[in-house]
Amino acid sequence: EVMLVESGGGLVKPGGSLRLSCVASGLSFSTYSMNWVRQAPGKGLEWVSSISSSRRYIYYADSVKGRFTISRDNAKNSLYLQMDGLSVEDTALYFCARDLTGSGYFDPWGQGTLVTVSS
Amino acid sequence: EIVMTQSPATLSVSPGERATLSCRSSQSVSSNLAWYQQKPGQAPRLLIYGASTRATGIPASFSGSGSGTEFTLTISSLQSEDFAVYYCQQYNNWPPAFGQGTKVEIK
Repeated sequence: EVMLVESGGGLVKPGGSLRLSCVASGLSFSTYSMNWVRQAPGKGLEWVSSISSSRRYIYYADSVKGRFTISRDNAKNSLYLQMDGLSVEDTALYFCARDLTGSGYFDPWGQGTLVTVSS
Repeated sequence: EIVMTQSPATLSVSPGERATLSCRSSQSVSSNLAWYQQKPGQAPRLLIYGASTRATGIPASFSGSGSGTEFTLTISSLQSEDFAVYYCQQYNNWPPAFGQGTKVEIK
């Protein structure tokens, strides 16, 4: 069974930083593009960032560009999201998700890790 | 950027009835359209990709149709476990974009 488990969320003050992690199991992690998608409380889904299997291609949503950095360690089956310059608008549940075929749709998703930005 | 619009925002349906959800894109996305189901406190689950192909393990009661800018997700006979929020997502153009969701609730 493919599983994705996120961690690293928490409460942080505006302007602060946080590093999220996602550990994958049950799949050949190094062969898949991976993504971060977030969901603000009571709101819809927003794609945040994507990284290709080889790390050659990296993309960000305009809302996080210049503040967030996606990375991966294929040897550790792990995906990361370094979040700097956090604002209250970044408060959300952050999911990691596999790009199933490289086409841009996501399956499966982890259960998410909650990031709360508040003073 | 492509904007995805779902309608209605909320759909009230009785168990056993059919539910029809709509998704529209601001420009053509060909058939590069996925549907997800999200239940409270859970992660989204892929239902449909390629506008009409069911993902692994998804029952035949779920079907998708459409291409270009107009898409439909149909649930043929609603079961209790189908009451949830449904999202469409285009992956034809970068960045990937989700609709705002349709909540299917018990009537």
